[in-house]
Amino acid sequence: KNQVEQSPQSLIILEGKNCTLQCNYTVSPFSNLRWYKQDTGRGPVSLTIMTFSENTKSNGRYTATLDADTKQSSLHITASQLSDSASYICVVIAQGGKLIFGQGTELSVKP
Amino acid sequence: ETGVTQSPTHLIKTRGQQVTLRCSSQSGHNTVSWYQQALGQGPQFIFQYYREEENGRGNFPPRFSGLQFPNYSSELNVNALELDDSALYLCASRAPNTEAFFGQGTRLTVV
Repeated sequence: KNQVEQSPQSLIILEGKNCTLQCNYTVSPFSNLRWYKQDTGRGPVSLTIMTFSENTKSNGRYTATLDADTKQSSLHITASQLSDSASYICVVIAQGGKLIFGQGTELSVKP
Repeated sequence: ETGVTQSPTHLIKTRGQQVTLRCSSQSGHNTVSWYQQALGQGPQFIFQYYREEENGRGNFPPRFSGLQFPNYSSELNVNALELDDSALYLCASRAPNTEAFFGQGTRLTVV
């Protein structure tokens, strides 16, 4: 069964601090892995896209890593801001284009 | 701004009624997929359309149906609404071999 599991389920950090979100997957084969940011009640917005041959991808304060051998990905957020408060969803795209979602990590950044 | 627009943004329906949700995609986005996202959960795949034909379906009953039109718009229809159908409904569209872009979602409440 294809699965994408994220941890932690929720996270509270202080403004300015760094954090790392984890994603483990069993989808095989897959074409690429994406991290999305989803504000409450809104659609997900893409942060990073990585193919299985890429190890790291950065987008401003967001850095995603991918280890295709262990089937793990992480999203590191540096110097967090209040606007980073959102749900972060790991999505694995199986061959054929089907999107398989993790359940998300709810991040709350406090002043 | 993802170029994918959903309407309406919010909707309240009574149990047993029928509802139609709409999604307008960018030109050239010939693949559209629909997702149901319950509060605090990751999106669940409902179905996918490619060139106006359904080419993938998740674990949803037949009362969930869809249409895709030549102008890159699509619909999600839900008959005989149940209380558990209350959720955020997301559509995502993409052109061949490109990433998917999500709409902002329609929040459906069934009372």
